[in-house]
Amino acid sequence: GEDVEQSLFLSVREGDSSVINCTYTDSSSTYLYWYKQEPGAGLQLLTYIFSNMDMKQDQRLTVLLNKKDKHLSLRIADTQTGDSAIYFCAEKGGKLIFGQGTELSVKP
Amino acid sequence: EAQVTQNPRYLITVTGKKLTVTCSQNMNHEYMSWYRQDPGLGLRQIYYSMNVEVTDKGDVPEGYKVSRKEKRNFPLILESPSPNQTSLYFCASSWDRVDTEAFFGQGTRLTVV
Repeated sequence: GEDVEQSLFLSVREGDSSVINCTYTDSSSTYLYWYKQEPGAGLQLLTYIFSNMDMKQDQRLTVLLNKKDKHLSLRIADTQTGDSAIYFCAEKGGKLIFGQGTELSVKP
Repeated sequence: EAQVTQNPRYLITVTGKKLTVTCSQNMNHEYMSWYRQDPGLGLRQIYYSMNVEVTDKGDVPEGYKVSRKEKRNFPLILESPSPNQTSLYFCASSWDRVDTEAFFGQGTRLTVV
């Protein structure tokens, strides 16, 4: 069945770049998403990429998609303490499938 | 303000005592769904609804019921809660199943003792 995998934890220093990686199995995915969950809050859509794109940039966020390897990454430039959160990768073929979430910890 | 509202935010209950978690959206969305979030497992879909009176099972429907009598409301019902249903629950809505963006509620943290 469809599956989305992420590493569970990432720790970076403030000002560094963060790269969160994700792999998925469903080759029919039309959209791939990154959601952010801050402590005690619901999920908020950060950005998404259509499956026929390789890259999407939005201010400090860069999404890279390698469709051949079914690999998606989210790069956050100049990471701030306010970026500390859990980041979920998700794919949508017929329905939304989430990864386990990567907890990003930003140390001052 | 466009939002999905869940109630309650926190709930502690005992095994076997029926409970309902409410979900309401004000965006006239057709598609609504319920997820549970567990450590290391991400979000798993419990039930979804494509429109009024149309509901279907997600990946982990056992022990749950839903109803969709009105477009804006999609309550999650646990007829006889058990400790393995202790989890963080999220309701979400979108225009339709293939809509780009799903809006999520704030979450309901349920503990069953």
